Amino acid sequence: EADIYQTPRYLVIGTGKKITLECSQTMGHDKMYWYQQDPGMELHLIHYSYGVNSTEKGDLSSESTVSRIRTEHFPLTLESARPSHTSQYLCASRGSRRNTEAFFGQGTRLTVV
Amino acid sequence: TQLLEQSPQFLSIQEGENLTVYCNSSSVFSSLQWYRQEPGEGPVLLVTVVTGGEVKKLKRLTFQFGDARKDSSLHITAAQPGDTGLYLCAGDHSGTYKYIFGTGTRLKVLA
Repeated sequence: EADIYQTPRYLVIGTGKKITLECSQTMGHDKMYWYQQDPGMELHLIHYSYGVNSTEKGDLSSESTVSRIRTEHFPLTLESARPSHTSQYLCASRGSRRNTEAFFGQGTRLTVV
Repeated sequence: TQLLEQSPQFLSIQEGENLTVYCNSSSVFSSLQWYRQEPGEGPVLLVTVVTGGEVKKLKRLTFQFGDARKDSSLHITAAQPGDTGLYLCAGDHSGTYKYIFGTGTRLKVLA
């Protein structure tokens, strides 16, 4: 059973606020990912990490930043939220074996007003 | 540029019908995964295909990986309302740690 957790599940916040979306996994996975997804649409990769102290930007331009200080923790931060950031954010992790699947958290639905 | 293109984008069918969803790329993938996602949840793995030409069956679902490992298909036989959801293919972008998803196929099966 996958053990990956995201908090908060829902967040409504005003424009200009700084927010951090939390993601933790207890599986010891090296690889972690953040995706942005509008309802029923494709997943866009915004950040990924292949280990502690490694982070890379994904294909979707994003004003967010991430950090990977511990294997199990991969938070995403928006310094100044804007209405265009309104979306669902999904965190995932994968083990180091070749061709392994991704395990997802339940997501954070962010609304910026 | 989207590396994994899925078709069709939307599909609405009656219960009992058959359907095929395609996942295509101009790049070679070492493997592809297929996921299904329901509203408000994260995607859940259906299958992994690794070998070119491979066919895998999961009850009424049949998955195939193209011989050149650039494409894959998902065939559902006798679709049921419980099959409704967003179907996604995914794979590692060659030479990187990027794990990318296809454009998605939204399936609705009507009772």
